[in-house]
Amino acid sequence: RKEVEQDPGPFNVPEGATVAFNCTYSNSASQSFFWYRQDCRKEPKLLMSVYSSGNEDGRFTAQLNRASQYISLLIRDSKLSDSATYLCVLGKGGSYIPTFGRGTSLIVHP
Amino acid sequence: EAQVTQNPRYLITVTGKKLTVTCSQNMNHEYMSWYRQDPGLGLRQIYYSMNVEVTDKGDVPEGYKVSRKEKRNFPLILESPSPNQTSLYFCASSQGDEQFFGPGTRLTVL
Repeated sequence: RKEVEQDPGPFNVPEGATVAFNCTYSNSASQSFFWYRQDCRKEPKLLMSVYSSGNEDGRFTAQLNRASQYISLLIRDSKLSDSATYLCVLGKGGSYIPTFGRGTSLIVHP
Repeated sequence: EAQVTQNPRYLITVTGKKLTVTCSQNMNHEYMSWYRQDPGLGLRQIYYSMNVEVTDKGDVPEGYKVSRKEKRNFPLILESPSPNQTSLYFCASSQGDEQFFGPGTRLTVL
C-alpha cells in the first residue's frame, strides 16, 4: 500500500457544486496533515492545515479521521478559480521529510 | 516581499555537463529542501537542510549534491546530469509546518 493515496481524478464539476476529496495514509505515525493547492506548472501553496478537530476556512473544510487513516477536503460552492490540483501532505513528528500525495485534479466548468 | 527564488527557471543541457540550480529565500527560514516533480509520481524530496552546514538526504538523493553555506541559499548541484534527471524542480523553505515553494526550474537533460 502506498504511503499516501489520492484519487488522481479529474473531478469535473459545475460551478456551484460541492466536491469532496479523500486522502488515505498508511503510516499511523503521521502527525501533521495539510492540503496544498497547485496550479498548472506552478509551485504548490498551502491551502490549509488539517487538525484533529477539523478546520474550516470559508468554502473549504478539512477533516482528519485517525481511526480510518484518512483526511478529507470539502469545497462548497465551487468557483472556476478552484480548478487546480490538490495535494495531500503528511508530516511525521521529528522528521523533515514530508510525504506528498500525487494530487487530485479538480476542473470546475461553467 | 517574502519569497523563494530559483534560477534558472528553464534549462536545457546535455548529459554529463555539470550544472547548478540556485535557490534563495529572504524569510530567514532555517529549513530548506529540494523536490522534483514528475508526472504520475508527485513531489519527491531530494535533499533537505535544517540549518547552515546541516544537510541530509531525502527520498531520491542519487545524482544530486547540495550545500548550505549561508542560511538564505541552498543550491542544487548535478555533477553529471543524465536524462532521467529531466524533471520539474522545486526549492522550498519553512520555519514551521508551512512550506514556501520557489517558482520551479524545468530541467531537460538531452
